[in-house]
Amino acid sequence: DGGITQSPKYLFRKEGQNVTLSCEQNLNHDAMYWYRQDPGQGLRLIYYSQIVNDFQKGDIAEGYSVSREKKESFPLTVTSAQKNPTAFYLCASSIRAANTEAFFGQGTRLTVV
Amino acid sequence: AQKITQTQPGMFVQEKEAVTLDCTYDTSDQSYGLFWYKQPSSGEMIFLIYQGSYDEQNATEGRYSLNFQKARKSANLVISASQLGDSAMYFCATYNQGGKLIFGQGTELSVKP
Repeated sequence: DGGITQSPKYLFRKEGQNVTLSCEQNLNHDAMYWYRQDPGQGLRLIYYSQIVNDFQKGDIAEGYSVSREKKESFPLTVTSAQKNPTAFYLCASSIRAANTEAFFGQGTRLTVV
Repeated sequence: AQKITQTQPGMFVQEKEAVTLDCTYDTSDQSYGLFWYKQPSSGEMIFLIYQGSYDEQNATEGRYSLNFQKARKSANLVISASQLGDSAMYFCATYNQGGKLIFGQGTELSVKP
Protein backbone atom coordinates (compact mmCIF):
# COMPACT_ATOMS: atom_id res chain seq x y z
CA ASP A 1 0.00 0.00 0.00
CA GLY A 2 1.24 3.48 -0.85
CA GLY A 3 1.45 5.96 1.94
CA ILE A 4 3.52 8.05 4.27
CA THR A 5 4.97 6.60 7.46
CA GLN A 6 6.21 8.37 10.51
CA SER A 7 8.05 6.65 13.29
CA PRO A 8 7.98 6.31 16.16
CA LYS A 9 4.46 7.21 17.21
CA TYR A 10 5.60 8.24 20.70
CA LEU A 11 9.06 9.45 21.64
CA PHE A 12 10.49 10.43 24.98
CA ARG A 13 13.81 12.21 25.33
CA LYS A 14 15.78 13.92 28.01
CA GLU A 15 16.28 17.65 27.83
CA GLY A 16 19.43 18.59 25.94
CA GLN A 17 19.44 15.56 23.65
CA ASN A 18 19.02 15.73 19.91
CA VAL A 19 16.34 13.46 18.48
CA THR A 20 15.50 12.49 14.90
CA LEU A 21 11.96 11.84 13.68
CA SER A 22 11.55 9.61 10.66
CA CYS A 23 9.28 10.29 7.67
CA GLU A 24 9.16 7.96 4.66
CA GLN A 25 6.81 8.01 1.67
CA ASN A 26 6.39 5.56 -1.20
CA LEU A 27 4.02 7.77 -3.21
CA ASN A 28 6.77 9.12 -5.49
CA HIS A 29 5.94 12.63 -4.31
CA ASP A 30 8.38 15.45 -4.94
CA ALA A 31 7.30 17.72 -2.08
CA MET A 32 7.53 16.94 1.63
CA TYR A 33 6.71 18.99 4.73
CA TRP A 34 7.20 18.98 8.49
CA TYR A 35 4.70 20.62 10.84
CA ARG A 36 4.54 21.18 14.54
CA GLN A 37 1.20 21.19 16.37
CA ASP A 38 0.71 22.27 19.96
CA PRO A 39 -2.47 21.36 21.90
CA GLY A 40 -5.55 23.07 20.48
CA GLN A 41 -3.47 24.90 17.89
CA GLY A 42 -3.05 24.86 14.13
CA LEU A 43 -0.18 23.41 12.10
CA ARG A 44 2.97 25.46 11.93
CA LEU A 45 5.43 24.77 9.12
CA ILE A 46 8.95 23.88 10.23
CA TYR A 47 10.68 22.91 6.95
CA TYR A 48 9.61 21.89 3.49
CA SER A 49 11.27 20.39 0.46
CA GLN A 50 10.07 20.73 -3.10
CA ILE A 51 12.61 18.38 -4.60
CA VAL A 52 15.33 15.98 -3.49
CA ASN A 53 18.55 17.62 -2.24
CA ASP A 54 16.76 20.91 -1.61
CA PHE A 55 14.74 22.26 1.32
CA GLN A 56 13.57 25.59 2.71
CA LYS A 57 12.86 26.96 6.16
CA GLY A 58 9.27 27.32 7.18
CA ASP A 59 7.88 29.67 9.79
CA ILE A 60 9.45 28.08 12.89
CA ALA A 61 12.72 26.47 11.72
CA GLU A 62 14.89 27.56 14.65
CA GLY A 63 16.14 24.59 16.64
CA TYR A 64 15.30 22.09 13.90
CA SER A 65 17.23 20.60 10.98
CA VAL A 66 16.30 18.38 8.03
CA SER A 67 17.86 16.54 5.12
CA ARG A 68 16.46 15.34 1.79
CA GLU A 69 19.04 12.97 0.37
CA LYS A 70 16.43 10.59 -1.03
CA LYS A 71 13.10 11.38 -2.62
CA GLU A 72 11.23 9.11 -0.25
CA SER A 73 12.80 10.28 3.02
CA PHE A 74 12.67 13.58 4.92
CA PRO A 75 13.94 13.13 8.50
CA LEU A 76 13.58 15.91 11.04
CA THR A 77 16.11 16.46 13.84
CA VAL A 78 14.97 18.32 16.91
CA THR A 79 18.12 19.80 18.37
CA SER A 80 18.93 20.86 21.90
CA ALA A 81 18.61 24.47 20.69
CA GLN A 82 14.84 24.06 20.39
CA LYS A 83 13.54 25.73 23.56
CA ASN A 84 10.24 23.88 23.88
CA PRO A 85 10.32 20.71 21.77
CA THR A 86 7.43 18.85 23.38
CA ALA A 87 4.73 18.76 20.68
CA PHE A 88 2.96 16.68 18.04
CA TYR A 89 4.91 16.51 14.77
CA LEU A 90 3.27 15.80 11.44
CA CYS A 91 4.97 14.96 8.16
CA ALA A 92 3.22 15.35 4.81
CA SER A 93 3.94 14.88 1.13
CA SER A 94 2.36 15.99 -2.13
CA ILE A 95 3.01 15.35 -5.82
CA ARG A 96 4.24 18.92 -6.16
CA ALA A 97 4.20 22.02 -3.99
CA ALA A 98 1.17 23.60 -5.61
CA ASN A 99 -2.55 22.87 -5.63
CA THR A 100 -2.30 19.16 -5.00
CA GLU A 101 -3.61 17.17 -2.07
CA ALA A 102 -1.14 16.56 0.71
CA PHE A 103 -1.00 13.17 2.39
CA PHE A 104 -0.08 13.01 6.05
CA GLY A 105 1.64 10.52 8.29
CA GLN A 106 0.15 9.43 11.60
CA GLY A 107 2.30 11.87 13.54
CA THR A 108 4.95 11.57 16.26
CA ARG A 109 4.23 12.78 19.74
CA LEU A 110 7.51 13.98 21.25
CA THR A 111 7.83 14.51 24.97
CA VAL A 112 10.99 15.99 26.41
CA VAL A 113 11.50 15.45 30.13
CA ALA B 1 1.84 36.73 1.44
CA GLN B 2 -0.86 34.11 1.51
CA LYS B 3 -2.75 33.81 4.73
CA ILE B 4 -5.61 31.63 5.93
CA THR B 5 -8.01 32.84 8.61
CA GLN B 6 -10.48 30.69 10.49
CA THR B 7 -12.37 32.86 12.95
CA GLN B 8 -14.39 30.20 14.75
CA PRO B 9 -12.28 28.45 17.40
CA GLY B 10 -15.19 26.19 18.31
CA MET B 11 -18.61 25.31 16.91
CA PHE B 12 -21.51 23.19 18.12
CA VAL B 13 -24.09 21.55 15.89
CA GLN B 14 -26.99 19.22 16.56
CA GLU B 15 -26.78 15.79 15.00
CA LYS B 16 -28.42 15.65 11.55
CA GLU B 17 -28.25 19.41 11.08
CA ALA B 18 -25.99 21.27 8.65
CA VAL B 19 -23.05 23.40 9.77
CA THR B 20 -20.83 25.93 8.02
CA LEU B 21 -17.18 26.39 8.96
CA ASP B 22 -15.67 29.68 7.84
CA CYS B 23 -12.40 30.21 6.00
CA THR B 24 -11.09 33.39 4.45
CA TYR B 25 -7.86 33.67 2.54
CA ASP B 26 -5.57 36.41 1.41
CA THR B 27 -3.72 35.94 -1.84
CA SER B 28 -2.65 37.97 -4.86
CA ASP B 29 -2.25 34.88 -7.03
CA GLN B 30 -4.60 34.35 -9.96
CA SER B 31 -4.37 30.58 -9.72
CA TYR B 32 -4.70 28.95 -6.32
CA GLY B 33 -6.51 26.19 -4.52
CA LEU B 34 -8.20 25.79 -1.15
CA PHE B 35 -8.18 22.57 0.83
CA TRP B 36 -10.10 21.37 3.85
CA TYR B 37 -8.77 18.72 6.21
CA LYS B 38 -10.33 16.97 9.20
CA GLN B 39 -8.28 16.02 12.24
CA PRO B 40 -9.99 13.62 14.69
CA SER B 41 -8.68 13.25 18.22
CA SER B 42 -6.32 10.50 16.99
CA GLY B 43 -4.28 13.22 15.27
CA GLU B 44 -4.35 11.98 11.68
CA MET B 45 -5.12 14.53 8.96
CA ILE B 46 -7.86 13.50 6.55
CA PHE B 47 -8.31 15.33 3.23
CA LEU B 48 -11.94 16.31 2.67
CA ILE B 49 -12.35 18.58 -0.32
CA TYR B 50 -10.51 20.86 -2.76
CA GLN B 51 -11.58 23.96 -4.70
CA GLY B 52 -9.49 25.47 -7.48
CA SER B 53 -9.73 29.18 -8.14
CA TYR B 54 -10.77 28.61 -11.74
CA ASP B 55 -13.40 25.99 -10.92
CA GLU B 56 -16.77 27.45 -11.82
CA GLN B 57 -18.81 25.06 -9.74
CA ASN B 58 -18.55 24.75 -5.98
CA ALA B 59 -16.82 21.52 -5.04
CA THR B 60 -18.83 18.73 -3.43
CA GLU B 61 -17.76 15.40 -1.91
CA GLY B 62 -20.58 13.44 -0.34
CA ARG B 63 -21.84 15.40 2.68
CA TYR B 64 -19.12 18.01 2.25
CA SER B 65 -19.45 21.02 0.01
CA LEU B 66 -17.46 24.15 -0.39
CA ASN B 67 -19.17 27.54 -0.55
CA PHE B 68 -16.57 29.36 -2.64
CA GLN B 69 -17.00 33.12 -2.97
CA LYS B 70 -13.99 34.39 -4.88
CA ALA B 71 -14.82 38.08 -4.63
CA ARG B 72 -15.06 37.80 -0.86
CA LYS B 73 -12.03 35.49 -0.69
CA SER B 74 -13.93 32.95 1.32
CA ALA B 75 -14.06 29.17 1.03
CA ASN B 76 -16.46 27.95 3.69
CA LEU B 77 -16.97 24.24 4.34
CA VAL B 78 -20.55 23.05 4.63
CA ILE B 79 -21.22 19.71 6.30
CA SER B 80 -24.74 18.47 5.76
CA ALA B 81 -26.58 16.01 8.02
CA SER B 82 -23.95 16.12 10.77
CA GLN B 83 -22.96 12.85 12.41
CA LEU B 84 -21.33 12.21 15.79
CA GLY B 85 -18.20 11.10 13.93
CA ASP B 86 -17.87 14.57 12.45
CA SER B 87 -16.67 15.85 15.82
CA ALA B 88 -13.07 16.90 15.12
CA MET B 89 -10.78 19.81 14.28
CA TYR B 90 -11.18 21.20 10.77
CA PHE B 91 -8.46 23.07 8.94
CA CYS B 92 -8.49 25.19 5.81
CA ALA B 93 -5.24 25.32 3.81
CA THR B 94 -3.60 26.69 0.69
CA TYR B 95 -0.20 26.87 -0.98
CA ASN B 96 1.73 30.09 -1.35
CA GLN B 97 3.87 30.95 -4.38
CA GLY B 98 6.98 29.61 -2.72
CA GLY B 99 5.47 26.16 -2.30
CA LYS B 100 4.57 26.45 1.37
CA LEU B 101 1.41 24.63 2.37
CA ILE B 102 -0.11 26.84 5.05
CA PHE B 103 -3.01 26.16 7.40
CA GLY B 104 -5.50 28.21 9.34
CA GLN B 105 -5.82 27.94 13.11
CA GLY B 106 -8.63 25.45 12.82
CA THR B 107 -12.19 25.11 14.08
CA GLU B 108 -13.15 22.50 16.65
CA LEU B 109 -16.54 21.08 15.74
CA SER B 110 -18.63 19.27 18.33
CA VAL B 111 -21.72 17.36 17.21
CA LYS B 112 -24.38 16.98 19.89
CA PRO B 113 -26.63 13.89 19.96
